[in-house]
Amino acid sequence: DGGITQSPKYLFRKEGQNVTLSCEQNLNHDAMYWYRQDPGQGLRLIYYSQIVNDFQKGDIAEGYSVSREKKESFPLTVTSAQKNPTAFYLCASSIVDSPNQPQHFGDGTRLSIL
Amino acid sequence: KNEVEQSPQNLTAQEGEFITINCSYSVGISALHWLQQHPGGGIVSLFMLSSGKKKHGRLIATINIQEKHSSLHITASHPRDSAVYICAVGGSQGNLIFGKGTKLSVKP
Repeated sequence: DGGITQSPKYLFRKEGQNVTLSCEQNLNHDAMYWYRQDPGQGLRLIYYSQIVNDFQKGDIAEGYSVSREKKESFPLTVTSAQKNPTAFYLCASSIVDSPNQPQHFGDGTRLSIL
Repeated sequence: KNEVEQSPQNLTAQEGEFITINCSYSVGISALHWLQQHPGGGIVSLFMLSSGKKKHGRLIATINIQEKHSSLHITASHPRDSAVYICAVGGSQGNLIFGKGTKLSVKP
């Protein structure tokens, strides 16, 4: 079955450490997205990619980095510059980057600080 | 003021009740999405609409573009409907703006 796979489900980060969250999709979608979800808040866009080898900053990109070397993969690195990384991270994809297309979501990664 | 407002924030219902969740937005949109987030965190897209009404099983979504308002209705609610329901709007710039969600709990 086609879908989006995020791993790991739970991740712990030490102070000063970079960690990478994996997102893989087999839907043949061009557009991929990373969102951050905090308690009591709506999803906020971190980065998005409309096509391979291209990506743009979202509303809260500081302290994060991404790459899009393959159509199927859009990993997110939470760097040590992100001072408040504890959150739930969701990856999504759509056929193309358009508000008129439904987005398909992964099951998320919960990141905590040790 | 948030661009997407949902009400209520929390909703508890008895099994079988008719449920309505509301979404108001302040920006011009090209489409409105209703999403369901399960207790484990995964999100499923329920509806995408730009006018009128859509129905899928016991779920109905309506939108009034002039009033900038949408509603999600659940008929004959069931405990398995317990989830967080999220409204998101898509503007001309492409990215979605999300509401904070409505947490629904349906008691048997």
